[in-house]
Amino acid sequence: EAEVAQSPRYKITEKSQAVAFWCDPISGHATLYWYRQILGQGPELLVQFQDESVVDDSQLPKDRFSAERLKGVDSTLKIQPAELGDSAMYLCASSRTGGSYNEQFFGPGTRLTVL
Amino acid sequence: AQTVTQSQPEMSVQEAETVTLSCTYDTSENNYYLFWYKQPPSRQMILVIRQEAYKQQNATENRFSVNFQKAAKSFSLKISDSQLGDTAMYFCAFMNLGVSKLTFGKGITLSVRP
Repeated sequence: EAEVAQSPRYKITEKSQAVAFWCDPISGHATLYWYRQILGQGPELLVQFQDESVVDDSQLPKDRFSAERLKGVDSTLKIQPAELGDSAMYLCASSRTGGSYNEQFFGPGTRLTVL
Repeated sequence: AQTVTQSQPEMSVQEAETVTLSCTYDTSENNYYLFWYKQPPSRQMILVIRQEAYKQQNATENRFSVNFQKAAKSFSLKISDSQLGDTAMYFCAFMNLGVSKLTFGKGITLSVRP
């Protein structure tokens, strides 16, 4: 069964350093999402891509976060510089496009700890 | 903006018994979807059940069923015959029709006792 892949699974960094997370969606899924899940909270959407275009990045802290999906397949989320408050689980999800509803499939996430 | 509220932080249930998880939401929209997602420890989040707001009939998936009260904006999940594998965090989520953004509640930690 196809799954969303993410790497690394765990990342520990010091504040002010740069970190990057990678996501490979399920083949054929044109829509890709990055969520941030702070411990004890539900996931919050950071950015949504339709193919290589950003559809929604209203909750992305653009002064330090960036996301790209250059060829409309895999995606990278970057934080520079990392801050203590960025410690969280970063989840990637993907879905098909079109129709009234498409299920989002989630990856295992990257747990970031900023020291 | 839509909000989803899960006021119970954690619950515990004996194996084989039934448990109900509560969720309320707030929206001015008439057409939308509601979901329950399961996030097992150290594993990815998976969809448990989906309800379309225009359907009056409550959704059911095997041991999982919902009680959808549109007027009250309430959406609870009932798990029957609880199993040890049901131990996980459960999130209630909302999606507007035609918009694929999910809005999640804070989640509830469910523990199933042997």
